[in-house]
Amino acid sequence: RKEVEQDPGPFNVPEGATVAFNCTYSNSASQSFFWYRQDCRKEPKLLMSVYSSGNEDGRFTAQLNRASQYISLLIRDSKLSDSATYLCVVGPTGTASKLTFGTGTRLQVTL
Amino acid sequence: GAVVSQHPSWVICKSGTSVKIECRSLDFQATTMFWYRQFPKQSLMLMATSNEGSKATYEQGVEKDKFLINHASLTLSTLTVTSAHPEDSSFYICSARDQVGQFFGPGTRLTVL
Repeated sequence: RKEVEQDPGPFNVPEGATVAFNCTYSNSASQSFFWYRQDCRKEPKLLMSVYSSGNEDGRFTAQLNRASQYISLLIRDSKLSDSATYLCVVGPTGTASKLTFGTGTRLQVTL
Repeated sequence: GAVVSQHPSWVICKSGTSVKIECRSLDFQATTMFWYRQFPKQSLMLMATSNEGSKATYEQGVEKDKFLINHASLTLSTLTVTSAHPEDSSFYICSARDQVGQFFGPGTRLTVL
């Protein structure tokens, strides 16, 4: 079983749609969780951290379910510029901790 | 967020050549930097953790003699791919962590002919 699993997609959605991505992780000791965005042939960029209480940043909402070892990302009112690969990332605590990346979920927003 | 630069952004070289990639943290000091590799349509795979002033820690299956890492200062880590071969062609990305999160350099696309 992969340490971090994601549906690779692609998810093709029209502009304005709401789309949700899910991710599961296998290490129950994991303490830090993130969503990164990666555009084609570019480096990953931190989208948001994920907290147990859930957190929202504009059109983006992230949720964490520790009991199910499950993380989600919800994007509302999709924009063309949201088209990218979204990486679920998990790590232990610590300032120098190693992160484990999922293979990513590809989103394509169309007119 | 923190800014991490990487140089060069792309390299094309002949088989057997050694290639050096630099990673710099521009607005903060990083005692630890990470080197990743990403093959097409695959996830980022951690190669090694670079520690300032000490030896790097390599992940299982990564040859330390082939991928030389030097972290001589708090803002600079280098990765040298020695005697590169076509199978080393990949996207190499470094990252460093500040108090907010882990940030990535723009990556170096290496093509070995």
